[in-house]
Amino acid sequence: DVKVTQSSRYLVKRTGEKVFLECVQDMDHENMFWYRQDPGLGLRLIYFSYDVKMKEKGDIPEGYSVSREKKERFSLILESASTNQTSMYLCASNKQGARGNYGYTFGSGTRLTVV
Amino acid sequence: GNSVTQMEGPVTLSEEAFLTINCTYTATGYPSLFWYVQYPGEGLQLLLKATKADDKGSNKGFEATYRKETTSFHLEKGSVQVSDSAVYFCATRGGAGNKLTFGGGTRVLVKP
Repeated sequence: DVKVTQSSRYLVKRTGEKVFLECVQDMDHENMFWYRQDPGLGLRLIYFSYDVKMKEKGDIPEGYSVSREKKERFSLILESASTNQTSMYLCASNKQGARGNYGYTFGSGTRLTVV
Repeated sequence: GNSVTQMEGPVTLSEEAFLTINCTYTATGYPSLFWYVQYPGEGLQLLLKATKADDKGSNKGFEATYRKETTSFHLEKGSVQVSDSAVYFCATRGGAGNKLTFGGGTRVLVKP
């Protein structure tokens, strides 16, 4: 069964810590995405990547960075965690091509709490 | 860019009731439209999709029709079950970067 795997379901970090959220997909997908999900705000795109070593800013990139050294892995980095980054983080991937016909495959999410 | 507006929840229903969740979008061109569902404690799963005007997506008893004239993609189910309790997200894909843009989500609670 194809899937997107996020390394942690729950994470608690302290303010100012550097935080790594890892995401791995086994579908040989070109595109990978990081969203955060907050009540009443839905899903907001943080960063995405169309290929290895490529990254593009989404709608809310401030305070985040990403790394894509291998096709199957897309890491989200909080350089200095703050309490307003407490959220559910969702990773997704999809296949390049066929205009608009492909939905995304999502991971189960990482609920991050910054204290 | 694209945007999606969906009705706010929570929507509380009794089992076997009829469910409608409204969704409207703004987009340039001809975007693809999706409904995703998120069950408690899980990530999002694709529920159904439609890629052109008048297409009807359907899955698990849910249906939605791509209405270009009203820029809508309302989700319906004729008889809900307790297991349908979840958060439902409408999304459009298209525009710059061909990315998914989500609505705010609608929480549905079905009571026995």
